[in-house]
Amino acid sequence: QQQVKQSPQSLIVQKGGISIINCAYENTAFDYFPWYQQFPGKGPALLIAIRPDVSEKKEGRFTISFNKSAKQFSLHIMDSQPGDSATYFCAASMDTGRRALTFGSGTRLQVQP
Amino acid sequence: NAGVTQTPKFRILKIGQSMTLQCAQDMNHNYMYWYRQDPGMGLKLIYYSVGAGITDKGEVPNGYNVSRSTTEDFPLRLELAAPSQTSVYFCASSYRALGQGAVTYEQYFGPGTRLTVT
Repeated sequence: QQQVKQSPQSLIVQKGGISIINCAYENTAFDYFPWYQQFPGKGPALLIAIRPDVSEKKEGRFTISFNKSAKQFSLHIMDSQPGDSATYFCAASMDTGRRALTFGSGTRLQVQP
Repeated sequence: NAGVTQTPKFRILKIGQSMTLQCAQDMNHNYMYWYRQDPGMGLKLIYYSVGAGITDKGEVPNGYNVSRSTTEDFPLRLELAAPSQTSVYFCASSYRALGQGAVTYEQYFGPGTRLTVT
């Protein structure tokens, strides 16, 4: 029940295209859904996050779409750039004492020039 | 601010050896975490701490120990290294604070320690 399932495992997109990464969760107690971006040799860094009381959040070229009834959320990267090439992790957290993140397995995005 | 720092960056251990992975943060964060990242997998929680003197197990604590004597430091100890502990280890910290009417829990990650046990 703690799992967060992420797809696809890898994604190749042309420069200027739209990258879409999907995640699904089971535990309805999750109340915070961040996306992290990780470059090789670096730690993950928060990209954008959403709470289940909204269906969409946009920050620049990055948008999270959230479907509470389907227990799914997705990351959309508009006008994808080669500099966006990285591994993206979705995650989920709930309001318990530890507030730790449960991560998806990651998506390696490659944006071709 | 240096943020979250981790040492060493790389380490090779022989089976049965022990070592301590160091983690420090200078953001006065109360929450700290240790995760491990295996190839093709997401990060798994090893141990966490909600403040100095308070630690607890995460999903995969076996073979590890932690301590939290100060707000800044959260070392991870491997007592008897095993090949299954070959992984990249990330330390993270966060602060339970209120922002714009909602509680925020952004976690800040260190650069990681790549550990190989042979």
